[in-house]
Amino acid sequence: TQLLEQSPQFLSIQEGENLTVYCNSSSVFSSLQWYRQEPGEGPVLLVTVVTGGEVKKLKRLTFQFGDARKDSSLHITAAQPGDTGLYLCAYNQAGTALIFGKGTTLSVSS
Amino acid sequence: GAGVSQSPRYKVAKRGQDVALRCDPISGHVSLFWYQQALGQGPEFLTYFQNEAQLDKSGLPSDRFFAERPEGSVSTLKIQRTQQEDSAVYLCAGKVGETQYFGPGTRLLVL
Repeated sequence: TQLLEQSPQFLSIQEGENLTVYCNSSSVFSSLQWYRQEPGEGPVLLVTVVTGGEVKKLKRLTFQFGDARKDSSLHITAAQPGDTGLYLCAYNQAGTALIFGKGTTLSVSS
Repeated sequence: GAGVSQSPRYKVAKRGQDVALRCDPISGHVSLFWYQQALGQGPEFLTYFQNEAQLDKSGLPSDRFFAERPEGSVSTLKIQRTQQEDSAVYLCAGKVGETQYFGPGTRLLVL
């Protein structure tokens, strides 16, 4: 059983479109993290959300943590080809290992 | 990331062969993690070191997998008698504060 369920699994869009990807769980988390992984590279941390209902913005990316701290979403406005990659959500187990979802593979074509 | 390097970047092994994957973290990365990432999946935790001490190896899939970090810096993940199901990307990460910085990974293909 996957603790973090990410959807959709794949997303292919045109440059300029908006999109939202989701990270859901039945468990409550003290925080969740979002990573982006480009082909041939390791994941890179984008943001950590900590407070229920929190919204964080990183340029065209908007991250939200659910009020109950069980889910999170990532919204990208006016997607660009440089946004292409695997988007992963993760939580920190006991402050050590990261537990990842399976990710959403995003492809943005020009 | 914060300069974590891994070698080799690609490794092709015949089934039954032993392989050794190396991770060079940045000086100051007290904590070091290994993850396995199958194609189309998120990374899965394998093992964790704090300095030279291996504090958690609960994610190692079998006793064919062995990791060490003898001097608390460079780490090696060894896989004995490789099997086709070992084909994956092996990622290493160093931790600074609450952030893990990943290397580019070693892509292992077992034929």
